[in-house]
Amino acid sequence: ETGVTQSPTHLIKTRGQQVTLRCSSQSGHNTVSWYQQALGQGPQFIFQYYREEENGRGNFPPRFSGLQFPNYSSELNVNALELDDSALYLCASSLGTDEKLFFGSGTQLSVL
Amino acid sequence: AQSVTQPDIHITVSEGASLELRCNYSYGATPYLFWYVQSPGQGLQLLLKYFSGDTLVQGIKGFEAEFKRSQSSFNLRKPSVHWSDAAEYFCAVGARSNDYKLSFGAGTTVTVRA
Repeated sequence: ETGVTQSPTHLIKTRGQQVTLRCSSQSGHNTVSWYQQALGQGPQFIFQYYREEENGRGNFPPRFSGLQFPNYSSELNVNALELDDSALYLCASSLGTDEKLFFGSGTQLSVL
Repeated sequence: AQSVTQPDIHITVSEGASLELRCNYSYGATPYLFWYVQSPGQGLQLLLKYFSGDTLVQGIKGFEAEFKRSQSSFNLRKPSVHWSDAAEYFCAVGARSNDYKLSFGAGTTVTVRA
């Protein structure tokens, strides 16, 4: 059912580098939410974009930033990578602020 | 602040046996509650959700959950487990007032033995 695609699927970076993760939302969806899932933990809300504007942010530092494009695809950027940034990053799209989220399969980021 | 606790980190159940996963939430107002399932290497799939009304909700794959306000619980159940139910299960809470930005529990891993 889900049409949310994320790229890349896996990524290895070193501490201090910068990374960009991408998400294509399901057709017709104009809201994208990003979550970080550390190993053995539940997903944690990073931020949400609605019609290209940030619509709420979780407890993450400013080096986590995002963008949503006119076609509603989205990017998550992380600067100055730290070892603790190693996690699965999940993107979810929805229609407006509807409660039904469609998740992608995630990007597994490893920071060495 | 909203939060979710899943007391069981790991549950092992025999195929054909019943399954119950516990979820306790903390939220000031009426919560919107969700159960998601995650198979290895996959994203999250919504099993069911509760907003209001009947406190027993039916979901996909034969799952159901019961909302108990007095116990702040939203436990997930399945009468007869199949091997394909082996996965990680997450309970989540959200609210319309914050546009359903979900808070997830730490998850329960379910192992199904033959």
